[in-house]
Amino acid sequence: DVKVTQSSRYLVKRTGEKVFLECVQDMDHENMFWYRQDPGLGLRLIYFSYDVKMKEKGDIPEGYSVSREKKERFSLILESASTNQTSMYLCASSLRGQRYGYTFGSGTRLTVV
Amino acid sequence: GQNIDQPTEMTATEGAIVQINCTYQTSGFNGLFWYQQHAGEAPTFLSYNVLDGLEEKGRFSSFLSRSKGYSYLLLKELQMKDSASYLCAVNYGQNFVFGPGTRLSVLP
Repeated sequence: DVKVTQSSRYLVKRTGEKVFLECVQDMDHENMFWYRQDPGLGLRLIYFSYDVKMKEKGDIPEGYSVSREKKERFSLILESASTNQTSMYLCASSLRGQRYGYTFGSGTRLTVV
Repeated sequence: GQNIDQPTEMTATEGAIVQINCTYQTSGFNGLFWYQQHAGEAPTFLSYNVLDGLEEKGRFSSFLSRSKGYSYLLLKELQMKDSASYLCAVNYGQNFVFGPGTRLSVLP
């Protein structure tokens, strides 16, 4: 069964901390994505990657960075967490090609205090 | 950007039929997906449309009109477990743009 695993379900961090959110998929998918989901705003794309060591900015990359050193792992980094980054973070992966939908991880609910 | 519109909330009765609409900008369209998301959980794939017409999958069907930039998700014989948010997502290349989601409440 296809799986995307996010390392933490819930996280509480302090303002100014560096935060790492990890995502691992076991399906040999080329594409990986990080979204945040906020009430009334839907899912917004932060960063994505189509291959190892490759990354592209999404719609809201400010305050975030990513790392993809291995095909199966895509990390989201909050360099200096702020309260407006309190959100649900969803990782997703897909095969290359337009007809393939996403497989999502179960999400990480991050609270920055 | 590409705006995708869906109703924010809908309510229906157990056993009924409900239609959830989605409109999108047609330029660059490569396909449309519907996802179901229960509260506190990840979205899960429901359907995929790339050609005009109706795709049926059990109690769920999805319709697409590319010229009108319009899709709908039809849920028949509603069950309580269908209470969830339904997300319309359009493929404009390698990425998807998601609508805000429609929260469906199924009442007994």
